[in-house]
Amino acid sequence: DVKVTQSSRYLVKRTGEKVFLECVQDMDHENMFWYRQDPGLGLRLIYFSYDVKMKEKGDIPEGYSVSREKKERFSLILESASTNQTSMYLCASIQAQGYNEQFFGPGTRLTVL
Amino acid sequence: GDSVTQMEGPVTLSEEAFLTINCTYTATGYPSLFWYVQYPGEGLQLLLKATKADDKGSNKGFEATYRKETTSFHLEKGSVQVSDSAVYFCAFANSGYALNFGKGTSLLVTP
Repeated sequence: DVKVTQSSRYLVKRTGEKVFLECVQDMDHENMFWYRQDPGLGLRLIYFSYDVKMKEKGDIPEGYSVSREKKERFSLILESASTNQTSMYLCASIQAQGYNEQFFGPGTRLTVL
Repeated sequence: GDSVTQMEGPVTLSEEAFLTINCTYTATGYPSLFWYVQYPGEGLQLLLKATKADDKGSNKGFEATYRKETTSFHLEKGSVQVSDSAVYFCAFANSGYALNFGKGTSLLVTP
């Protein structure tokens, strides 16, 4: 069974802390994504990666960076967390060829105090 | 720019009622269209998809038809169940495989 896992379901951090959100997929997918989900705003794309060490900015990259050192792992980094980054973060992956479905992880609910 | 507009919720229905959630999109080219569902406390999962005009996607009693002339992909189900209570997202993918999502429609089905 295909699987996307995220390192934490719930996370509480303080303003100014460096935060790492980890995502791992076991489907050998080339493309991976980080979205942010907020009430009334739906899902917005932060960053995506189409290959190891490759990354592209999405619609709201400010305040975030990403790392993809291995094909199965895609990390989202908040260099200095702020309260407006309190949100649900969803990771997804997709096979490169064809319009197949994106598989989502369960999400990490991050609270920045 | 590219966008998805779906009807605002929350939508509250009685069990066995008919469901329609409207979705229209603005996109260049011929995108693939998707409906995703998010059950409470879970991530998103694909409900159905359509990749070209006039295609009908269906799954678990839900259906949606890709209407290119009206740029719409409305979700329907003839008889909803309590277990269908969830948030539904309309989305499309153009190039690059990233999805453009609507804001989501919350559905509550009461017994």
